[in-house]
Amino acid sequence: GAGVSQSPRYKVTKRGQDVALRCDPISGHVSLYWYRQALGQGPEFLTYFNYEAQQDKSGLPNDRFSAERPEGSISTLTIQRTEQRDSAMYRCASSSGPYNQPQHFGDGTRLSIL
Amino acid sequence: GQQVMQIPQYQHVQEGEDFTTYCNSSTTLSNIQWYKQRPGGHPVFLIQLVKSGEVKKQKRLTFQFGEAKKNSSLHITATQTTDVGTYFCAGPDNYGQNFVFGPGTRLSVLP
Repeated sequence: GAGVSQSPRYKVTKRGQDVALRCDPISGHVSLYWYRQALGQGPEFLTYFNYEAQQDKSGLPNDRFSAERPEGSISTLTIQRTEQRDSAMYRCASSSGPYNQPQHFGDGTRLSIL
Repeated sequence: GQQVMQIPQYQHVQEGEDFTTYCNSSTTLSNIQWYKQRPGGHPVFLIQLVKSGEVKKQKRLTFQFGEAKKNSSLHITATQTTDVGTYFCAGPDNYGQNFVFGPGTRLSVLP
């Protein structure tokens, strides 16, 4: 596609529910990143993939957070048993290579936990 | 772990004034990238610096990477209202790990 696409744009759910956030990167981009961005803050690194391999998941806050990219293209970030503190903008970015290439960001998913 | 700081946090300038934001990392960076995020938008890549002491220019924007590859700056000459937004520096440490964004400098330009 022309850019990084994220869905849904907005997600409101009750505490304790599981949520799955989707990212469709730019076609041909091998690297995919997930970030969390609080209002007025910089993006906080969560995890990144090269093709289908999860290379670094050191930023995932706890074991309720997981991500996958099974075919090296679309990725899903899953949050289990959501808590109010999980409320944030979740952003996906893709690049043609890891860390030393420009990252192209999607519009994000605004997650609100009630 | 690696920490990236930026100063100032906010900057209000009159249109036509210059603006500078400074970025400092606690560890050596293999490269540094700068992004701009408009209000309500997503971060957009501006430039990447790789070499120690490197200076790059994009029209009114000048980017510099420190000799020790631990700091960087972005200078905007004669700001315009279109420069409004938050400017982030970001980069991986020297081992290519831990890609970290700074907290950003929010620029307001008064017409």
